Amino acid sequence: QVQLVESGGGLVKPGGSLRLSCAASGFTFSDYYMSWIRQAPGKGLEWVSYISSSGTTIYYPDSVRGRFTVSRDNAKNFLYLQMNSLRVEDTAVYFCARKGLGDYWGRGTLVTVSS
Amino acid sequence: QSVLTQPPSASGTPGQRVTLSCSGSSFNIESNTVNWYQHLPGTAPKLLIYSNHQRPSGVPDRFSGSKSGTSASLAISGLQSEDEAVYYCAAWDDSLNGPVFGGGTKLTVL
Repeated sequence: QVQLVESGGGLVKPGGSLRLSCAASGFTFSDYYMSWIRQAPGKGLEWVSYISSSGTTIYYPDSVRGRFTVSRDNAKNFLYLQMNSLRVEDTAVYFCARKGLGDYWGRGTLVTVSS
Repeated sequence: QSVLTQPPSASGTPGQRVTLSCSGSSFNIESNTVNWYQHLPGTAPKLLIYSNHQRPSGVPDRFSGSKSGTSASLAISGLQSEDEAVYYCAAWDDSLNGPVFGGGTKLTVL
């Protein structure tokens, strides 16, 4: 069955960096677009990044563009999110999801940005 | 502030039918299909409806979706206690080149 497992979250100071990983299994990873989506405490869902199956097409919202970088390793079935210049408002649970809108999601990993 | 607008809360009694609404714009709901998700804290959001009204395998037919213009709705009939969750709508947004979500509706089964 399709499984997505995020890891790499934790506590980081403002201005710091963190790299999230998403291990995919149960489907042909290289066939699918993938997304990162986050949920800040008490808030709704917010799209963070979107990457095509080959990794050649990538989109970000203005809130993270220039600070976050999404990538993928189709040989290892991993999706990554490199987060730099982190801000307090980046505090959230980060989910990886299959496809643009997400038909399957992971359980998420918590990123806390605080001094 | 979410791009798609959902009422923050809704409620119903067991067996009742409830309808959750989602409002967007010509850039998202009107020009693209809508998904609905069920989310319980600490778990992975679960896809309930895709392409406006399609149900993935395993989703009961008590859940149904519809779309008209810039709005969409999710109906839940025969409400059960296990339906208590937060429900999110989502659609691709052509102006943002990415998915947009509603703020979620917390459904309480009284």
